[in-house]
Amino acid sequence: GNSVTQMEGPVTLSEEAFLTINCTYTATGYPSLFWYVQYPGEGLQLLLKATKADDKGSNKGFEATYRKETTSFHLEKGSVQVSDSAVYFCALRLPAYNQGGKLIFGQGTELSVKP
Amino acid sequence: EAQVTQNPRYLITVTGKKLTVTCSQNMNHEYMSWYRQDPGLGLRQIYYSMNVEVTDKGDVPEGYKVSRKEKRNFPLILESPSPNQTSLYFCASASDAWGNTIYFGEGSWLTVV
Repeated sequence: GNSVTQMEGPVTLSEEAFLTINCTYTATGYPSLFWYVQYPGEGLQLLLKATKADDKGSNKGFEATYRKETTSFHLEKGSVQVSDSAVYFCALRLPAYNQGGKLIFGQGTELSVKP
Repeated sequence: EAQVTQNPRYLITVTGKKLTVTCSQNMNHEYMSWYRQDPGLGLRQIYYSMNVEVTDKGDVPEGYKVSRKEKRNFPLILESPSPNQTSLYFCASASDAWGNTIYFGEGSWLTVV
């Protein structure tokens, strides 16, 4: 079946540390891949996306590359800030003919950045 | 500003009292859906709609109804809420069902006592 697996949290880093959150997926066909972020008490915000193999999504210093050969979409940031503390969700979106085009989410990884 | 707006944001209600969570988007999107988020279970789709008058069940539709009479609105109806429907609910929309970005509302915290 279709699924997303991301590394378990919580992840605690010091400010300016390098961040990697691993995400792998299983899907039939060619899904689009997304990272969403949820700040405390808030809704889900799109962080970045990639729609085909070898695409790199980037936003606010975060990057992720769609790797079809390893079915991965790892999130990276070179230097995290306290304000990056949030829960990060990896997700894939299936096309309409496959379960109606829904998003399938990973379980979320909580990131805490200490000053 | 492009947005998905849902109301109420916070609600405490009693078992069996019908309630509606409204959702509206101003982006002329065809695709809309509802998710619920629960600790340990993640985000799960309740219902989705590919266009006006076209709705279908997601993964956890029991106890919920939806309607799509207009393109911009997609209300979620709990006819007889129960405590297991206590959750954080998100409305979402996208231009279509073919892989484009899905945008989320800010969420509605619902408690059923």
